[in-house]
Amino acid sequence: EPEVTQTPSHQVTQMGQEVILRCVPISNHLYFYWYRQILGQKVEFLVSFYNNEISEKSEIFDDQFSVERPDGSNFTLKIRSTKLEDSAMYFCASRLQGAQYNEQFFGPGTRLTVL
Amino acid sequence: AQRVTQPEKLLSVFKGAPVELKCNYSYSGSPELFWYVQYSRQRLQLLLRHISRESIKGFTADLNKGETSFHLKKPFAQEEDSAMYYCALSPNQAGTALIFGKGTTLSVSS
Repeated sequence: EPEVTQTPSHQVTQMGQEVILRCVPISNHLYFYWYRQILGQKVEFLVSFYNNEISEKSEIFDDQFSVERPDGSNFTLKIRSTKLEDSAMYFCASRLQGAQYNEQFFGPGTRLTVL
Repeated sequence: AQRVTQPEKLLSVFKGAPVELKCNYSYSGSPELFWYVQYSRQRLQLLLRHISRESIKGFTADLNKGETSFHLKKPFAQEEDSAMYYCALSPNQAGTALIFGKGTTLSVSS
């Protein structure tokens, strides 16, 4: 069964550094999402992406964040200058266009640790 | 405001006991409601969606619009049900974000 994949599984970085988190959505899916989960807190929506543009974003998704679909398979989340409070689990999800329900399939997550 | 509330952080039961994981939501329209499960060290997986009214792994959930609830139930818990359970809401529009509750850890012991 096809799955969303994410790399790396764990990323450690210094405060102020740029990080890129990578996701490979399920191949015939056209809606893509990033969520994050700070330790002990709930899963929070960051951004959704469709037809090569952002379709929705949350207040968390400020100018430090950007997303890109650089090729036909990858979907990336870039944090330009990481802060300590960016430490969290980041989940990518994808959804099939035309699906009757808003069923999103999640990747295993990337744990980002900012020191 | 759109909100999902899961009042219990942890629910501990014995094997064979009934389980009810509570979920209440706040949304002015007609949302889609989901239950996601996360087993230890695994990804979030969809367990149930209210539209399909199905039973998965013995779990059921009924949408009660009057009480704005979508509680997850199972008559006889199994040890393998131990996991984190998240209730999620989606406004009924294509491609929109899921709004999650804080999650409930279900611990089933023998």
